[in-house]
Amino acid sequence: DTAVSQTPKYLVTQMGNDKSIKCEQNLGHDTMYWYKQDSKKFLKIMFSYNNKELIINETVPNRFSPKSPDKAHLNLHINSLELGDSAVYFCASRLEGAGANVLTFGAGSRLTVL
Amino acid sequence: ELKVEQNPLFLSMQEGKNYTIYCNYSTTSDRLYWYRQDPGKSLESLFVLLSNGAVKQEGRLMASLDTKARLSTLHITAAVHDLSATYFCAVDNMNRDDKIIFGKGTRLHILP
Repeated sequence: DTAVSQTPKYLVTQMGNDKSIKCEQNLGHDTMYWYKQDSKKFLKIMFSYNNKELIINETVPNRFSPKSPDKAHLNLHINSLELGDSAVYFCASRLEGAGANVLTFGAGSRLTVL
Repeated sequence: ELKVEQNPLFLSMQEGKNYTIYCNYSTTSDRLYWYRQDPGKSLESLFVLLSNGAVKQEGRLMASLDTKARLSTLHITAAVHDLSATYFCAVDNMNRDDKIIFGKGTRLHILP
């Protein structure tokens, strides 16, 4: 059973298009995240949701819109795609509270904008 | 704002050698994580360090945390080729905003 699953794994599209990436976790975690990993492998936090509430909204263009229909799902919609949006997008989740709250990552979604 | 600095960013070393990766961070935190990422793969949790002086070991890897110096180290003993990967440290922002900030990663290449 995959703990954090993302779809699609690969996405190739033209500039100006709109696309979505979906994420689901079956771990019962409270908080979900989107991270962007660029071509240099740098990981940058984009958003986090806790029980469907937006907690973190980093300096990300408003073309990116996360949606969390329930605490097990966090989707990422991107409007008017640009070349610079090409990256690997990782979904992650973790449990709230004190202690070792390790992030569990999905397999990543590689987005290529042509 | 929490900043996390790793060094070196690239490391090429011979099998059998020892080396250390350093992770410095800018604000108070006592939750630090080390992750491994193989090429084209996701991130895998290696260690969680939750207090000053914490030390964790798994095989040839050992991680430690000094919260007063805001420094964590990942030490590799007698490196083997299978340890070639990118290693990330990540620090939990203790301001209750659920933010975990990653260093830029250290690409480790171990030569046979």
